[in-house]
Amino acid sequence: AQSVTQLGSHVSVSEGALVLLRCNYSSSVPPYLFWYVQYPNQGLQLLLKYTTGATLVKGINGFEAEFKKSETSFHLTKPSAHMSDAAEYFCAVSSGGSNYKLTFGKGTLLTVNP
Amino acid sequence: DTAVSQTPKYLVTQMGNDKSIKCEQNLGHDTMYWYKQDSKKFLKIMFSYNNKELIINETVPNRFSPKSPDKAHLNLHINSLELGDSAVYFCASSSTSGRLNEQFFGPGTRLTVL
Repeated sequence: AQSVTQLGSHVSVSEGALVLLRCNYSSSVPPYLFWYVQYPNQGLQLLLKYTTGATLVKGINGFEAEFKKSETSFHLTKPSAHMSDAAEYFCAVSSGGSNYKLTFGKGTLLTVNP
Repeated sequence: DTAVSQTPKYLVTQMGNDKSIKCEQNLGHDTMYWYKQDSKKFLKIMFSYNNKELIINETVPNRFSPKSPDKAHLNLHINSLELGDSAVYFCASSSTSGRLNEQFFGPGTRLTVL
């Protein structure tokens, strides 16, 4: 069974500040990890993903995440927040292969203050 | 060109009614999904079809019946609607070749049961 825990249902930062959204996962097999973003009243958009290889992955809009197996973590960061980053962020895990199921965390709402 | 589209975008109906939501993808993917997002934004997979074959069926009431007439379409029919069915339903698709498990989401259908 897989699970995802996102610490902090709501994170608030100032514009220009570092964004750090935390994600820890549980998986019995090597995981595939994803971050999705959901803007208000919209569907989910893939920010970045880790499958194999380099553990630091870069995504769209200046976001990046690092897979740390020893910590079972996949935290999302961005050096400088922009007002347009305000959205709901979801971390998800999959076991890959023929298992297509994505298990999502409960989401973290990011607000950016001017 | 919309990659994953859903109709309708909003659906308001009375308890006990039967309703359908339609999903189409023009990405050439072979796998499609239905997810439910509740009022707390929690996303949970309901069903998945690969090449028109049901491969994931989570613990969803029998009142929910997916139908995949072809690889590009996955519809969701709901019988005897209940108040608890109110949610946003997202369709998604992915390919079993190439970018494994990168799921592309539709804009969602907001279902309100009165």
